[in-house]
Amino acid sequence: GESVGLHLPTLSVQEGDNSIINCAYSNSASDYFIWYKQESGKGPQFIIDIRSNMDKRQGQRVTVLLNKTVKHLSLQIAATQPGDSAVYFCAELGYGGSQGNLIFGKGTKLSVKP
Amino acid sequence: GAVVSQHPSRVICKSGTSVKIECRSLDFQATTMFWYRQFPKKSLMLMATSNEGSKATYEQGVEKDKFLINHASLTLSTLTVTSAHPEDSSFYICSARRGGGPRTYEQYFGPGTRLTVT
Repeated sequence: GESVGLHLPTLSVQEGDNSIINCAYSNSASDYFIWYKQESGKGPQFIIDIRSNMDKRQGQRVTVLLNKTVKHLSLQIAATQPGDSAVYFCAELGYGGSQGNLIFGKGTKLSVKP
Repeated sequence: GAVVSQHPSRVICKSGTSVKIECRSLDFQATTMFWYRQFPKKSLMLMATSNEGSKATYEQGVEKDKFLINHASLTLSTLTVTSAHPEDSSFYICSARRGGGPRTYEQYFGPGTRLTVT
């Protein structure tokens, strides 16, 4: 079945360092992926997305990498700041019976130490 | 643009009562809205998909008679938790998708509603 998961449940980094958050997916037919940031007590906030015809996409301080061969997705945050502390979720746009629905991974909590 | 609001942000109710949560798209028309439930330190779990003017589609294991969803207009969907019990306590989040079909990717999330049933 379809599933999206994360390798690391928690990540602690020093302010100014780069952060890498990983995600694995199982449906090779998935063609669209999104990273969300969720701060405590708030709804998910869109960070960046990528379609399966790309292997890299950059935003402001963030980069998403997609490796379709091993069905792996990563989010890189450059010069991590305290305001980046949150839980990060990858999400996959469902196919088949879940068409149009987002399937969320388990989440990684990022803690930034000042 | 693309702002989604939820009301209330927090609600405490007594066991056995019903609670209604509203989800509104403030500056766009949402043909589809989604309702999620999130337990502490857990991921978002899709409960149901609601399309304007039609019955909601519930995910497996979600009781449709307990979680009533109404999507009466292109900017408003409501979730009513009927006969609430303490185990219904959770963080409920809605999202709204613009028109354009199921492969329209943009989906915008509300700020969530914290429900506590005593």
